[in-house]
Amino acid sequence: DVKVTQSSRYLVKRTGEKVFLECVQDMDHENMFWYRQDPGLGLRLIYFSYDVKMKEKGDIPEGYSVSREKKERFSLILESASTNQTSMYLCASRRGPKETQYFGPGTRLLVL
Amino acid sequence: GQSLEQPSEVTAVEGAIVQINCTYQTSGFYGLSWYQQHDGGAPTFLSYNALDGLEETGRFSSFLSRSDSYGYLLLQELQMKDSASYFCAVRDYGGATNKLIFGTGTLLAVQP
Repeated sequence: DVKVTQSSRYLVKRTGEKVFLECVQDMDHENMFWYRQDPGLGLRLIYFSYDVKMKEKGDIPEGYSVSREKKERFSLILESASTNQTSMYLCASRRGPKETQYFGPGTRLLVL
Repeated sequence: GQSLEQPSEVTAVEGAIVQINCTYQTSGFYGLSWYQQHDGGAPTFLSYNALDGLEETGRFSSFLSRSDSYGYLLLQELQMKDSASYFCAVRDYGGATNKLIFGTGTLLAVQP
């Protein structure tokens, strides 16, 4: 079974803090994704990566950056957290361009 | 812009059949997927249609009409455990860097 894990289920941070969200997949998948999920807005893509050290902006990249130094790990970074970044963050991975996406359990981030 | 329209909520009773519609308007189209998400859980893949017609997987079926930019998910013999959010998602491109564009989700409530 594919397993996508995220470093925290719940996280509370203060405005202005630098926040790291980690995602690890154990199936040697090429592609990895970061989404945020907000009520009524569905899943919106922040960034994705189709190879190590490669990254592409999604629909809402502002205020975020990412890092993919190893194939199995994709990190989402909030350089200076703001209250409007309070959200559920979901990581996903897939093997190839036509394959199914597998999601992690999500990190619920609260920025105070 | 790119958009996927789904009803926000649907209610049905156990044992019934329910259809969740999805209309899309995207710059590229390489297939329509459906994902299920239980409250507090990760989205999980249900089905994928690349070509017109009906795909059946057990109690769930998915339909696509590319000429109408329309698809639906059909759930038969509803069970209480089917209560969840359902998302349609369009694959926007055929190459390696393709991504999924998600709808805003339909909350299905199954009543006894």
